[in-house]
Amino acid sequence: SQTIHQWPATLVQPVGSPLSLECTVEGTSNPNLYWYRQAAGRGLQLLFYSVGIGQISSEVPQNLSASRPQDRQFILSSKKLLLSDSGFYLCAWSGLANYNEQFFGPGTRLTVL
Amino acid sequence: AQSVTQPDIHITVSEGASLELRCNYSYGATPYLFWYVQSPGQGLQLLLKYFSGDTLVQGIKGFEAEFKRSQSSFNLRKPSVHWSDAAEYFCAVGRNPTGTASKLTFGTGTRLQVTL
Repeated sequence: SQTIHQWPATLVQPVGSPLSLECTVEGTSNPNLYWYRQAAGRGLQLLFYSVGIGQISSEVPQNLSASRPQDRQFILSSKKLLLSDSGFYLCAWSGLANYNEQFFGPGTRLTVL
Repeated sequence: AQSVTQPDIHITVSEGASLELRCNYSYGATPYLFWYVQSPGQGLQLLLKYFSGDTLVQGIKGFEAEFKRSQSSFNLRKPSVHWSDAAEYFCAVGRNPTGTASKLTFGTGTRLQVTL
């Protein structure tokens, strides 16, 4: 069966510091991968998606970037965090057989102080 | 652009009572529709989905939803709520312009509280 992991689970960072959040998927090959952000009291906003290694599409302009160095690894990064980057970050994957159905990881709670 | 509206921010029901969570969408083509549930501090779990065919879809945990094209709605229902159903529920509409990657647009969620 497929599983999706996110690391770390929680993170507290000062403004201006760098960020690296990792997402890995097991049990599937060539998944589509997604990064979402969930701000307090709001729904989920799609930030990035990737259909293959090195292929990144950005949905909204922002202080963040994404990379996909391996087939089942998706990384969310920032060079300098802003207060507004605080939120709950969720990674998701979908498979080639049913690419409209997304499965979510447990999330990372990021607090920028 | 597509959008999803969940008009109820917070709903409280008694255990054993029936539940209906509302969802309205705006989309130019045949939508792919989803309901997800999120427990506090957790990721999202897929409850059910509608792609095509029968407009009444069954999901996990005893939930069902009905797609009504004329009303642009996809309301979630459960005949008898359990205390463990307390969570936040998100409706989403999917689009796949590239044919290989779906993009989900989520509503702002409905928080369900269950009283004993």
